[in-house]
Amino acid sequence: EIVMTQSPATLSVSPGERATLSCRASQSISNNLAWYQQKPGQAPRLLIYSASSRATGIPDRFSGSGSGTEFTLTISSLQSEDFAVYYCQQYNNWPPLTFGGGTKVEIK
Amino acid sequence: QVQMVESGGGVVQPGESLRLSCAASGFNFSTYGMHWVRQAPGKGLEWVAYIRYDGNRKEYADSVKGRFTISRDDSKSTVHLQMTSLTTDETALYYCAKGSKYSSAWYAFDIWGQGTMVTVSS
Repeated sequence: EIVMTQSPATLSVSPGERATLSCRASQSISNNLAWYQQKPGQAPRLLIYSASSRATGIPDRFSGSGSGTEFTLTISSLQSEDFAVYYCQQYNNWPPLTFGGGTKVEIK
Repeated sequence: QVQMVESGGGVVQPGESLRLSCAASGFNFSTYGMHWVRQAPGKGLEWVAYIRYDGNRKEYADSVKGRFTISRDDSKSTVHLQMTSLTTDETALYYCAKGSKYSSAWYAFDIWGQGTMVTVSS
């Protein structure tokens, strides 16, 4: 099973600042990685697939990078609606499909 | 519009069974794989099960293999999850999720339902 590790667990950022979230895979997953955003009381929403491609309707302040075992989600200028929990998910080697433990982005 | 609505959750005792359903609309259901993903209260996401678009491939998390069964009814655009021998640590919000439309990411999830709560408690 591929273990996904996200860091930090919590990120405190001021509105308008840049946020950088990390996700590490226990073995190479090529670029078969997705990022999701989940707000309280809501289902997750797909942000990024194939490590760096934005899903339909996702603002360009969200960007993804990385391949192999190291991945990054960057939010260039945090808006109030971006404060949420973010999960990465690998789909390179499955079953099982696996998620990271999440990074909570909170207001500083 | 595209949406998925789960139903069937509830409160059951350990060892009991429950059948979840997810009704999809707004997309060509029969051409997509479908998944169940769960989230325990205050915890992260855990993939549970998958069924291919044609129903001919099914995959399960090890923790549920042999106890859960995923199925689909394309005539009703519905996917089901039959759960047996439930345990207390399976208390969670169960989401159905659609395999993505992106050809490089069939096994990401681009549409999620709002979830149905399953509580296993004595």
